[in-house]
Amino acid sequence: SQKIEQNSEALNIQEGKTATLTCNYTNYSPAYLQWYRQDPGRGPVFLLLIRENEKEKRKERLKVTFDTTLKQSLFHITASQPADSATYLCVSMDTGRRALTFGSGTRLQVQP
Amino acid sequence: GAVVSQHPSRVICKSGTSVKIECRSLDFQATTMFWYRQFPKQSLMLMATSNEGSKATYEQGVEKDKFLINHASLTLSTLTVTSAHPEDSSFYICSANHATGGEEKLFFGSGTQLSVL
Repeated sequence: SQKIEQNSEALNIQEGKTATLTCNYTNYSPAYLQWYRQDPGRGPVFLLLIRENEKEKRKERLKVTFDTTLKQSLFHITASQPADSATYLCVSMDTGRRALTFGSGTRLQVQP
Repeated sequence: GAVVSQHPSRVICKSGTSVKIECRSLDFQATTMFWYRQFPKQSLMLMATSNEGSKATYEQGVEKDKFLINHASLTLSTLTVTSAHPEDSSFYICSANHATGGEEKLFFGSGTQLSVL
């Protein structure tokens, strides 16, 4: 079955450093991957989408990569700030079958 | 950007009562909406896919008679938790797909914290 895996352990980094979160998928080839941010008690908020034919996408301090050989997407936050502390979700949507697959999310904590 | 409004944000009810949660797409039409539940410090669990004008599609293990879904219009889907019990206490979130800039994205409601006493 389709599966997305994210590191379930929290990632703790120092302010100003680059945070890198990993999303690995197995048993399928998603048309694209999306990254969302979720704060406690709130719904997720869309950040970035990357298609299977795109290697990299950027938005301000955010960068996402998509490696179809490794079956992996990396999500980077450069010059991280305490306000970046949240849980980040990797989501894939198979537009052909309208199937959604969610990663379990990785909690990021940026220390001042 | 697209907005999905979810109400109420928080509800406390007695065991045995039913609770209705509304999910509205404010500035776009959504033929499909999704309902999730989330336990503390865990990821979203997809419960069902709500289809406008037809029956919802439920994920394995989700009781359709317990969690009634109605998608009567292109902008509104409702989830009714019937005869709620304390184990139904959870954070419920809805989302809708919307294509912007040629890309299809999920827009989430702000969630409903349900507490059943």
